[in-house]
Amino acid sequence: EAGVAQSPRYKIIEKRQSVAFWCNPISGHATLYWYQQILGQGPKLLIQFQNNGVVDDSQLPKDRFSAERLKGVDSTLKIQPAKLEDSAVYLCASSGRPGEWEKLFFGSGTQLSVL
Amino acid sequence: GEDVEQSLFLSVREGDSSVINCTYTDSSSTYLYWYKQEPGAGLQLLTYIFSNMDMKQDQRLTVLLNKKDKHLSLRIADTQTGDSAIYFCAERNSGGYNKLIFGAGTRLAVHP
Repeated sequence: EAGVAQSPRYKIIEKRQSVAFWCNPISGHATLYWYQQILGQGPKLLIQFQNNGVVDDSQLPKDRFSAERLKGVDSTLKIQPAKLEDSAVYLCASSGRPGEWEKLFFGSGTQLSVL
Repeated sequence: GEDVEQSLFLSVREGDSSVINCTYTDSSSTYLYWYKQEPGAGLQLLTYIFSNMDMKQDQRLTVLLNKKDKHLSLRIADTQTGDSAIYFCAERNSGGYNKLIFGAGTRLAVHP
């Protein structure tokens, strides 16, 4: 069974540039999450989708970060313009399969370096 | 408020048992989780426990939950070098929608 797919694996950009990350969740999972993991810290939730609607974006810096999940399947997270402090690993996760709704499965992440 | 705390580092000898501890603050958390992260990889779900349970065992892994003290532990029996990784404790908050709050992680180093 395929897991959560993310791309790209690595990205290096200069500050003030823009960047986008893509995520394809596990088939059948209604809920999709984007987490930010800064080096040495645990993941922090940025945004959570239930199907194609946002249910929690309270910690998303909305002046520069945006995310969408137009058809309720894959999702894109964008940063524009990037700042040095955005350097982190961006993890996508999904959950919601019947009988396993409490389990969150993570992708391998996109490591972003902002120079 | 929501907060999950873990000790940062644990070193054990190969073959010994490892115990990783975690404390959380949300007394109405419904599930508590342990994830493993190896270098350059995402988070792998190891095990989880429902809040009405005290213990859960899964092969070499034993999870103990003390709800009164809001304390969670993960015991790894017969620790191997392949167990070297960062272990994250997480609580599912009581606000619904399955949001997980993570600790900062405990780095487990296994030496011969």
